Formats: sequence, C-alpha cells, structure tokens
Amino acid sequence: QSALTQPASVSGSPGQSITISCTGTRSDVGGYNYVSWYQQHPGKAPKFMIYDVSNRPSGVSNRFSGSKSGNTASLTISGLQTEDEADYYCSSYTTSYTLVFGTGTKVTVL
Amino acid sequence: QVQLVESGGGLVKPGGSLRLSCAASGFTFSDFYMSWIRQAPGKGLEWVSYISSSDNRRYYADSVKGRFTISRDNAKNSLYLQMNSLRAEDTAVYYCAKDYRELQFDHWGQGTLVTVSS
Repeated sequence: QSALTQPASVSGSPGQSITISCTGTRSDVGGYNYVSWYQQHPGKAPKFMIYDVSNRPSGVSNRFSGSKSGNTASLTISGLQTEDEADYYCSSYTTSYTLVFGTGTKVTVL
Repeated sequence: QVQLVESGGGLVKPGGSLRLSCAASGFTFSDFYMSWIRQAPGKGLEWVSYISSSDNRRYYADSVKGRFTISRDNAKNSLYLQMNSLRAEDTAVYYCAKDYRELQFDHWGQGTLVTVSS
C-alpha cells in the first residue's frame, strides 16, 4: 500500500489560511469517509485533529477543518497561529482492512 | 484520563527479537481496537498492525507480516507487539494508539524507541 501524497511543506503568515492536500486512490481516500488528520510537534506524539473527513474531536480549535473531493482530502487551517507550526499527517482506511498514512506536510508560520 | 504507556524498546541486533508492551488506563480497554504505529527517525508515520477488541481479528502491514505478532491481554489492560527477525529498517519510535473508530486514533502513547543495529 503506497503512502498518500501530501505536499512536503506549506507556509503562511499569521492570520492567513492554508490548505494541505492528501491524495490517494479509490481504494482508500476515494472509497471511504474514514480520513483523519494528525498534528505532530517535534519530539511529541501525534494529536488527533480531524476524523471522518470533516469532524473535529472535542477540544480541537474550529480553525481546523477538513473536506474531501474524489480521491483527495484536504485540511484547512484558518487564522494561522505560531503554535500551528508542526507536521501534519493524513490517514485513510483502505480496502485491505488496513490503514495508510500520508507522506506528511511541514507547516511553517512565517 | 486516557493513558497509554509503551515500554520494551531498546537496541537489538539484526535478526533479533523484541517484545513491546503498552499499558492502558483511563478507559475500558476491552471495548476498543488498538494499533501499533511506527515512525523511523526523521520520517513519516507508518501503520504497523491492529487488533480487534476481542482479539479475534489481527491485521498487519506488508512490511512486517510474518515477522511481527500483535496481541492483547484485556485482563491486564495491555497491548503487545512481538517483533522477530528484526531488520535495520525496523528502527523507529513505536507508538500504541487507541482506536476511535475505523482506524482513526484519538489517543497515542509517548512512544518507545527500537534501534536495530549491529
């Protein structure tokens, strides 16, 4: 199972909005609404940010939103803040009863 | 609050074995699927394996199939990963994670480092 494709890096200024894409296939992203997003700061465990494509767990800021179109899922961060600087990973359930993660995107706040 | 604490990592020679443990607390362990996920130094996340709540279904990534075995002891609120025939490319931080639903993880441990080197 190949990793989902994410841009290596995305940057934005404080207050701006950025979007991270996550491209898969019909066997994963396109076939299921079990797409999640995780935020990971250096040296820390990943944090659950989005589930089922567009739902936010309790406690996650509403500045984070998710969507999907065809085989591509997206994470949008609005009102970018310095603490949003981190690595972000998408993941998707697959037809093989397994899971695939994205390649990861480093978000830089300029 | 939910806590997941991994242990058992360390330095092992290629071809060797290691058993990781994950102690769970703060939730009804026997009700949830659990997974192991790893991250090689400076690299991205890689799902390794998951086990159903009642231990009757186990799935593995192709990269570890036949070498790793996931198990759980619901009486001890513990998750395990037996790793055999270890290779250099298995070097990573190994996280245990609690399933929210359909392999989406709402809680992660702090990770345990496994280094495979001669």
